[in-house]
Amino acid sequence: GAVVSQHPSRVICKSGTSVKIECRSLDFQATTMFWYRQFPKKSLMLMATSNEGSKATYEQGVEKDKFLINHASLTLSTLTVTSAHPEDSSFYICSARSGDRNSPLHFGNGTRLTVT
Amino acid sequence: AQKVTQAQTEISVVEKEDVTLDCVYETRDTTYYLFWYKQPPSGELVFLIRRNSFDEQNEISGRYSWNFQKSTSSFNFTITASQVVDSAVYFCALYANRDDKIIFGKGTRLHILP
Repeated sequence: GAVVSQHPSRVICKSGTSVKIECRSLDFQATTMFWYRQFPKKSLMLMATSNEGSKATYEQGVEKDKFLINHASLTLSTLTVTSAHPEDSSFYICSARSGDRNSPLHFGNGTRLTVT
Repeated sequence: AQKVTQAQTEISVVEKEDVTLDCVYETRDTTYYLFWYKQPPSGELVFLIRRNSFDEQNEISGRYSWNFQKSTSSFNFTITASQVVDSAVYFCALYANRDDKIIFGKGTRLHILP
């Protein structure tokens, strides 16, 4: 149980275009989802907390107009990287809690974004 | 502020050796949770264990064991009789009620040599 599906797994786009990444909880409802970014050989940096039906909470230093997060249902959150630049190239991972606030996060398999 | 320190950036051991991955944390909260995750080369994150701040009992699961010591704010992870498939990056993480988010350490890259 507690499966999180993330799509696409890899995407290559040109500078200036926008890319949408989907994160779905397949067998549970997730009122809260989290988006992390991971640079090569680095740790996971929390970008934002996505709450169903309300605005996302962004971490300091993360541009909310660049990284648009929508959590329209209890099983789906999307991250849209707008006007992508090569420095946005990274590994993006979503996660969701299957239970209360301190329950473990279950992660999607990540999306490797390459902006050319 | 919350902080997780994994001082070992990279470790290499020969197969069948035991290896311990260190994790030291900082938090102001009295109620918190600690986690370990494994990230194999394929990239996905695999949940290994959760431990709450009120439970200092050590835990063993097969070849994996965890040693939680509040006195030293440490939550170390030991793999016994390591195998090549254990090669991965291992992340220690902390959740504190006050902040409602999980913070990760920088990870330890473990190489198990055949």
